[in-house]
Amino acid sequence: GNSVTQMEGPVTLSEEAFLTINCTYTATGYPSLFWYVQYPGEGLQLLLKATKADDKGSNKGFEATYRKETTSFHLEKGSVQVSDSAVYFCALNNNDMRFGAGTRLTVKP
Amino acid sequence: DVKVTQSSRYLVKRTGEKVFLECVQDMDHENMFWYRQDPGLGLRLIYFSYDVKMKEKGDIPEGYSVSREKKERFSLILESASTNQTSMYLCASSSGWGAGDTQYFGPGTRLTVL
Repeated sequence: GNSVTQMEGPVTLSEEAFLTINCTYTATGYPSLFWYVQYPGEGLQLLLKATKADDKGSNKGFEATYRKETTSFHLEKGSVQVSDSAVYFCALNNNDMRFGAGTRLTVKP
Repeated sequence: DVKVTQSSRYLVKRTGEKVFLECVQDMDHENMFWYRQDPGLGLRLIYFSYDVKMKEKGDIPEGYSVSREKKERFSLILESASTNQTSMYLCASSSGWGAGDTQYFGPGTRLTVL
């Protein structure tokens, strides 16, 4: 079946540090891949997505590349800010939406 | 922008009570979803609906029912609330059913059952 595995948190970084949150998936066919972000007390917001292999999704300085050969969609940001503190969810849609467990990121000033 | 609203941000109910969670979307989306979110488990699908009066069970439907009488509104019902239904409940909607379609989420309802 379809599934997503993302790195466990929590992740704590200093402001301006480089961020990577790993995400790998299992799926048949050609799923679309997503990163959602959940700020404290809020619902999930779409951060970025990629719909086919080698696509790069990007938004607000975050980016992730759809790697079919490694079945991965790792989230990266070159310089995090305190305002990036949130829970990040990797997800796939293969006509059946599946979410990872979430990774909590805390950025300290 | 898509807007998905949920009737309450926080609810506290007693064991055995009947609980209604309401969700409304304003983008004429065909599909609506109810998830629960628990730490370490991510989001798990309870029920979804692809049309008015149509519903399908998700991964964890036990103890829940749903109602979709109008296209924009999707209700989650806990017939007899139990403490293990204490959780964050998230509603979502999407326009299509394909792999590329994005789900848009409401702000969530944090339900506590005492």
